[in-house]
Amino acid sequence: GQNIDQPTEMTATEGAIVQINCTYQTSGFNGLFWYQQHAGEAPTFLSYNVLDGLEEKGRFSSFLSRSKGYSYLLLKELQMKDSASYLCAVREVWTGGFKTIFGAGTRLFVKA
Amino acid sequence: GAGVSQSPRYKVTKRGQDVALRCDPISGHVSLYWYRQALGQGPEFLTYFNYEAQQDKSGLPNDRFSAERPEGSISTLTIQRTEQRDSAMYRCASSSRGGTSGGVNEQFFGPGTRLTVL
Repeated sequence: GQNIDQPTEMTATEGAIVQINCTYQTSGFNGLFWYQQHAGEAPTFLSYNVLDGLEEKGRFSSFLSRSKGYSYLLLKELQMKDSASYLCAVREVWTGGFKTIFGAGTRLFVKA
Repeated sequence: GAGVSQSPRYKVTKRGQDVALRCDPISGHVSLYWYRQALGQGPEFLTYFNYEAQQDKSGLPNDRFSAERPEGSISTLTIQRTEQRDSAMYRCASSSRGGTSGGVNEQFFGPGTRLTVL
């Protein structure tokens, strides 16, 4: 089975940098995803890591350490529109295929 | 539009009634997923399909829940004899490649169906 932990809420200031951590326990790890979900909307894909290290995509970066079961999402130059929930999701492989399990999400509040 | 669509967007039903929720994935997407999302929580996996084959239904809460995708495109999630605890947002997602291919294969989510059981 899987267990995914991430902070419930975080608050940061516009223009600052924020790091959202995620720890997980799983068997058959096959990738870690970050999704963004604005209130009342559907989740949208942000990033994917399957190997250790940092993946950078514009203002967003995601890091993975498989040995530690740890990932973080780094958001730079925060904007008000970044206020949303950020979902950490782990894909697990098994004999029947793949299953993606989502964490509860971290609600990020960006203040002026 | 080219995105995932779901219908109805809102469904209010009385306890004990059956409901059918529809998902129309992005054209050509091989995999289709159903999730349930409570307020303030992440999506909870229910089941998924590759083409018309149901690959994993381990997340379905009980035998009142079933899903099908008979032609490998549109899918229906059916809840029989609804109960108040079934009230939630039901989300569908699709991905371009089959669920056995790995890679990024990110999921594209639909707007969801908000189910309320009175």
